[in-house]
Order: sequence, then structure tokens, then C-alpha cells
Amino acid sequence: AQSVAQPEDQVNVAEGNPLTVKCTYSVSGNPYLFWYVQYPNRGLQFLLKYITGDNLVKGSYGFEAEFNKSQTSFHLKKPSALVSDSALYFCALLNAGNNRKLIWGLGTSLAVNP
Amino acid sequence: DGGITQSPKYLFRKEGQNVTLSCEQNLNHDAMYWYRQDPGQGLRLIYYSQIVNDFQKGDIAEGYSVSREKKESFPLTVTSAQKNPTAFYLCASSRDPGTSSYNEQFFGPGTRLTVL
Repeated sequence: AQSVAQPEDQVNVAEGNPLTVKCTYSVSGNPYLFWYVQYPNRGLQFLLKYITGDNLVKGSYGFEAEFNKSQTSFHLKKPSALVSDSALYFCALLNAGNNRKLIWGLGTSLAVNP
Repeated sequence: DGGITQSPKYLFRKEGQNVTLSCEQNLNHDAMYWYRQDPGQGLRLIYYSQIVNDFQKGDIAEGYSVSREKKESFPLTVTSAQKNPTAFYLCASSRDPGTSSYNEQFFGPGTRLTVL
């Protein structure tokens, strides 16, 4: 069965420090992975995706994610966190079957402290 | 502006009433989705539609109904059969949901439904 996990409910970092939000996945075929961000009482915004190619994917707002096939991970990273990065982050795995649905992680709340 | 609009932003319903949440997109996307979001549970798929006049149940369709008469519109009705409807509802759309596509979904701002 396909699944995605975000092992940390909450991550706290100081402004200016690097941040990492973790995501692991389980899939029988090729993984197609996405990261989204949600600010309070708002919809989700797409950050980046991995389909194929380079393991380091660059996305919006200075975020990037590293795909690691051997560790089945797709961690979201940013070299220097901003207070405005504080939000809820979701990792998602595309069901590569006919329905093309996204399988969602439960989300990680990121708090960047000034 | 191109995007997805949802209305209303806040909705209050009495028990036993049906309510309809609006979702409109002007992105010319083929696929549209409805999700429910509860604290600590992430996003759960209610219904999705890959083409006009066709839709499929998601993981938690009981107590909900949808229609897709126009490409731009995908309204969700929360019926009285939904036992715990208080939640944040998100609509999304994506291009070309075909079997060779890996397109991201674009989300509306959400509707917060509260049952009184």
C-alpha cells in the first residue's frame, strides 16, 4: 500500500537557522512527491514536486527538497528560516494509478522564532 | 486574476439542514477536488471530478453530494446525513488528470462550516 508519513507534528527553529521538515514515503513503483504550505485559515499553496531527475528540487519562497530513494525520504529544507515561514506543511504522494489521487501526510507545524 | 474561489468563507448551519458550498475556477482545469480538513487529520478526499458530468467518491463521501455540470464549477452539498460536518472544506483543481500527468493541485481559500 502507498503511504506518506510526516514523523514530526511540530518543528521549532530560530530565525536565520536552517530548517528541515521531514517526509517519508512507501510506494511499490516510482514515487511522485509534492510539498504544500498552508497559512492559518487559508488554502494550500504548492511549493515543489519531484517527478524524476535531480534529487534536489528547488521550489517557491527559497524552499528546496531532497529526494533520497534509499531512505525513501523527501525532506523539505530552507537554508535560512524566516518568521513568515511559520505555517503548516504537507507532504503528498501521487497515486500513480488511474485515479491520480494525492495521498497526504498529516502535516507538520513549523514555528520560526524571532 | 486567475484562481479558485470558494464561498462563503464562513457558514453556519443548523442540524438537519443541507448546505451547499461553492467552488469556481477560471484556470481552465479539467479536474476538481473537494477535501475536508480537521485538526490533526490532514486532508481527506470527499469527491473528485476528472471531467465535466463525471465524478467519483473519495475516501469520505458519505453524507456529501456534488455535481459537475460546468467545467468551472464543482459545488459540494453537505447533507443532513453527514453526522459531523463541522470542518474546514477545501476545493482544488488541476490540469489534465490523465494517467501520464503529474500536475500539482491548486487550492481555493476554503470554507469553514460550523453546525450549531
